[in-house]
Amino acid sequence: AQSVTQLDSQVPVFEEAPVELRCNYSSSVSVYLFWYVQYPNQGLQLLLKYLSGSTLVKGINGFEAEFNKSQTSFHLRKPSVHISDTAEYFCAVRKISGGYNKLIFGAGTRLAVHP
Amino acid sequence: DTGVSQDPRHKITKRGQNVTFRCDPISEHNRLYWYRQTLGQGPEFLTYFQNEAQLEKSRLLSDRFSAERPKGSFSTLEIQRTEQGDSAMYLCASSQGTGKSYEQYFGPGTRLTVT
Repeated sequence: AQSVTQLDSQVPVFEEAPVELRCNYSSSVSVYLFWYVQYPNQGLQLLLKYLSGSTLVKGINGFEAEFNKSQTSFHLRKPSVHISDTAEYFCAVRKISGGYNKLIFGAGTRLAVHP
Repeated sequence: DTGVSQDPRHKITKRGQNVTFRCDPISEHNRLYWYRQTLGQGPEFLTYFQNEAQLEKSRLLSDRFSAERPKGSFSTLEIQRTEQGDSAMYLCASSQGTGKSYEQYFGPGTRLTVT
């Protein structure tokens, strides 16, 4: 079985500061990794994904994440945040084969950007 | 591409009533997923359709829950004899069957409140 742990439930940060949202996963099989963002009263939007290749992946809105297989982590980073980045962020995994593509999500990290 | 749509966006019902939600996936997507998201948690997988076939159901889906996708297009999720514990956001997602099948696109969700 797979599981995802997002180590911080809330992250407050000032505008233009850097931010890192942490994600660790557990799986006995190889997985794909994802970060989704959810704005209030909206569905989830894909920020970025790791499928294979370079362990540093870039996504939309200036976000990037680094896959670390030995530490089973997939932390999300942004060098300078904006007020508009305030949202809930979810890390998710999916088995590479089998499992009918279902995503397993972490509990989420609420990013609050203050002026 | 009009995105995934869900109807209604909000539903308030009394305990014991039946409710039905509808999801319209992106038109060329043959895979459809339902997730449930409770307050402060990440989405949890409920069920998966490939075309009209329901291929996987979570243990979360008690016998009061049923989902259909009769013509392989839109899907409905019905909850019979609702309980207060059913209060949650119900999210629908869809994906292509090949190529980028790993990328799930989410709808805005239906928020159910059982009083």
